[in-house]
Amino acid sequence: DIQMTQSPSSLSASVGDRVTITCQASQDIRNYLSWYQQKPGKAPNLLIYDASNLETGVPPRFSGSGSGTHFSLTISSLQPEDIATYYCQQYSNLPPWAFGQGTKVEIQ
Amino acid sequence: EVQVVESGGGLVQPGGSLRLSCAASGITFSSYWMNWVRQAPGKGLEWVANIKKDGSEKNYVDSVKGRFTISRDNARNSLYLQMNSLRAEDAAVYYCMIGHYAGNWGWGQGTLVTVSS
Repeated sequence: DIQMTQSPSSLSASVGDRVTITCQASQDIRNYLSWYQQKPGKAPNLLIYDASNLETGVPPRFSGSGSGTHFSLTISSLQPEDIATYYCQQYSNLPPWAFGQGTKVEIQ
Repeated sequence: EVQVVESGGGLVQPGGSLRLSCAASGITFSSYWMNWVRQAPGKGLEWVANIKKDGSEKNYVDSVKGRFTISRDNARNSLYLQMNSLRAEDAAVYYCMIGHYAGNWGWGQGTLVTVSS
């Protein structure tokens, strides 16, 4: 089974900082990876699909990159409203469509 | 307007059963793979199961194999999750998720499953 390893599990940064979260797949998933933001008590909010495509309406400070087994989500300039937990998820033809463990982002 | 509504959650004793339902409207339901995703209190997202557009392929996370069954009725635009032999660790909010990746309209509000004696 495919496993998704996300890091770090949490981070603290200042407003305006560049923040990067990484996600590693245990097998090649090509570009079948999405990134979600989740705030407490809410359903996840799609940020990126197919590894690097920005979902409509998502601010351009969010970007995704990678293919194969290594992926990253970058917030170019952290804003207070970006406080949330972020998850990667793979959706290749190799089940399970696992999520990463999550990265909790806080403001310093 | 797309609407996704889960139902069927509740309190069940360990070893008991529940059937979750997800009703979707405003989409061509039969065009999408469908998923169940759960989130235990204070924990991360866990993908549980998915089912192909025509129901011909089903996949499960290892921890629910043999206990949970995913199904769909494309005529009724509905997704189901039959959960048997429930354990304490199955307690979570269960979300219905549309497609390979789901934007804002692709998630329901979730239904809470509590497993306790």
